[in-house]
Amino acid sequence: NAGVTQTPKFQVLKTGQSMTLQCAQDMNHNSMYWYRQDPGMGLRLIYYSASEGTTDKGEVPNGYNVSRLNKREFSLRLESAAPSQTSVYFCASSEAGALLIRHFGDGTRLSIL
Amino acid sequence: AQKITQTQPGMFVQEKEAVTLDCTYDTSDQSYGLFWYKQPSSGEMIFLIYQGSYDEQNATEGRYSLNFQKARKSANLVISASQLGDSAMYFCAMREGGSNDYKLSFGAGTTVTVRA
Repeated sequence: NAGVTQTPKFQVLKTGQSMTLQCAQDMNHNSMYWYRQDPGMGLRLIYYSASEGTTDKGEVPNGYNVSRLNKREFSLRLESAAPSQTSVYFCASSEAGALLIRHFGDGTRLSIL
Repeated sequence: AQKITQTQPGMFVQEKEAVTLDCTYDTSDQSYGLFWYKQPSSGEMIFLIYQGSYDEQNATEGRYSLNFQKARKSANLVISASQLGDSAMYFCAMREGGSNDYKLSFGAGTTVTVRA
């Protein structure tokens, strides 16, 4: 099925470890996003990529880096994980100009001990 | 300041009845979009419905309709004929600005529990 694929689905890290969350979409969308969801809260934008080759900070970018590897893939990296980054991470994509985010990945549950 | 406010943390509704989920928003932009998403207990985010600020008609998608009251800055979601599978968390979200703005602001969500 077409959509947004995130890997891994679950991950446990120790404080200070690094890891990369992967996201790929097969809908030829130009724009991709990374959000985090904390308990009792809506999603908050970490970074987004309006088009291939561009990335911009969202609401909560500190502690994260991103790479728009190509049109399909947008990865999120935690260089030195902290317990405050324990969250569920969602990747999403949309067509440029449509501004309508219909497609989210299934999420990555990340726990940092 | 909160851009999206959902004042109902949780609601119960009887199967086959309609339910209205409240959402108010705050923006000074003339061009914006309003969204509703569903998040079942399995965790995925499911797009339900979209309303543009210039759309004159209220958006509808099957059993979902968006009651858009621009002057009151409200965008309530109405689910008609509730089903057990409608039990989930529902999020209201807003995109502000024009074509160069890609950011969605989300509310805190409303949990809906449908009773048989």
